[in-house]
Amino acid sequence: GDSVTQTEGLVTLTKGLPVMLNCTYQTTYSPFLFWYVQHLNEAPKLLLKSSTDNKRTEHQGFYATLHKSSSSFHLQKSSVQLSDSALYFCALRANSGTYQRFGTGTKLQVVP
Amino acid sequence: ETAVFQTPNYHVTQVGNEVSFNCKQTLGHDTMYWYKQDSKKLLKIMFSYNNKQLIVNETVPRRFSPQSSDKAHLNLRIKSVEPEDSAVYLCASSFGTGGTEVFFGKGTRLTVV
Repeated sequence: GDSVTQTEGLVTLTKGLPVMLNCTYQTTYSPFLFWYVQHLNEAPKLLLKSSTDNKRTEHQGFYATLHKSSSSFHLQKSSVQLSDSALYFCALRANSGTYQRFGTGTKLQVVP
Repeated sequence: ETAVFQTPNYHVTQVGNEVSFNCKQTLGHDTMYWYKQDSKKLLKIMFSYNNKQLIVNETVPRRFSPQSSDKAHLNLRIKSVEPEDSAVYLCASSFGTGGTEVFFGKGTRLTVV
């Protein structure tokens, strides 16, 4: 089947530090990966997406590279801000191609 | 700007009651979804409709039934709610299925007492 794994439940960082949120996946089809961000009491919104191997994709200071060799799509930012505090979901196009399967989410907490 | 609208925002009901949630999208998308977000914030697919046709029904109890009148509307009815149905129900839409950006509504928070 297909699956997406996020290993960190909570990441707490001081403002200005770099962050990497882990995402690995399993699929029998060509992978299509997404990162969504959900701020408190808000709807999840797309942050990044990729289906191209070894190509970095960036948006709003966040970036990620799909690595098919390691089945990974880690989310990074070089300097986190207080406003980055949110829940981050990695998602994978399901094998059926009919929806996206979401990981368990990582809560990023940025402190002053 | 929210383009996926859900009503109501909150609903509190007793075990055994029936509830209905409404969802409308104004993006012109052809695919709509219901996801359930539980107290641990896990997001799980429940149903997906493409051009008013049900294409995904992901091991959801029979008391849940989606209803789609047209491509822009997807409602969810729960007959005889149970305590474990307490969650946030997120409606979403996209162009096509699976490989494109999914736009979410703000959700309906259901509390079953």
